[in-house]
Amino acid sequence: EIVLTQSPATLSLSPGERATLSCRASQSVTSYLAWYQQRPGQAPRLLIYDASTRATGIPARFSGSGFGTDFTLTISSLEPEDFAVYYCQQRFIWPPITFGQGTRLEIK
Amino acid sequence: EVQVLESGGGLVQPGGSLRLSCAASGFTFSTYAMTWVRQAPGKGLEWVSVISNSGSSTEYADSVKGRFTISRDNSKSTMFLQMNSLRGDDTAVYYCAKTSGYSTGWFDYWGPGTLVTVSS
Repeated sequence: EIVLTQSPATLSLSPGERATLSCRASQSVTSYLAWYQQRPGQAPRLLIYDASTRATGIPARFSGSGFGTDFTLTISSLEPEDFAVYYCQQRFIWPPITFGQGTRLEIK
Repeated sequence: EVQVLESGGGLVQPGGSLRLSCAASGFTFSTYAMTWVRQAPGKGLEWVSVISNSGSSTEYADSVKGRFTISRDNSKSTMFLQMNSLRGDDTAVYYCAKTSGYSTGWFDYWGPGTLVTVSS
């Protein structure tokens, strides 16, 4: 099973700042990695797939990068609605499809 | 507009059974694999099961294998999750999601979830 480790567990930033979230895989997943956003009380939403492709309707301030075992989600300038929990997910080697434990992005 | 909506959650005793449904609309249901993901209270996301577009292929997480059965009715654009031998650690919000492929894919549209509580 591929284990995804996200860091940091919690990130405290202010609106307008740049956020950098990390996801590390226990073995290579090539580019088979996605990022999801989950706001409180809501279902997750697909942000980025194939490591760097924005999903439909996702603002350009969200970007993804990486290949193999190290991946990054960057939010260039935080908006109030971006404060949420973010999960990475792999489907390169499955089953099981696995998620990271999440990074909570909170308002400083 | 793509929509998926879960139903069937509720309170069930340990050892009991429950059947969840996921009704889909706004896309050609028979083209895409569908999946279930759950989230225990205050915890992260856990993938549960996936079914291919035709229903001929299914996969499960080890934690539910042998107890849960995924199925679909393409004529009714509906997916199901039959949950047997339920345990306390099955308590979670269960989300259904459309995937972007025919055997699996990225989870591109999610329902609002249905809460399953396993307790005596």
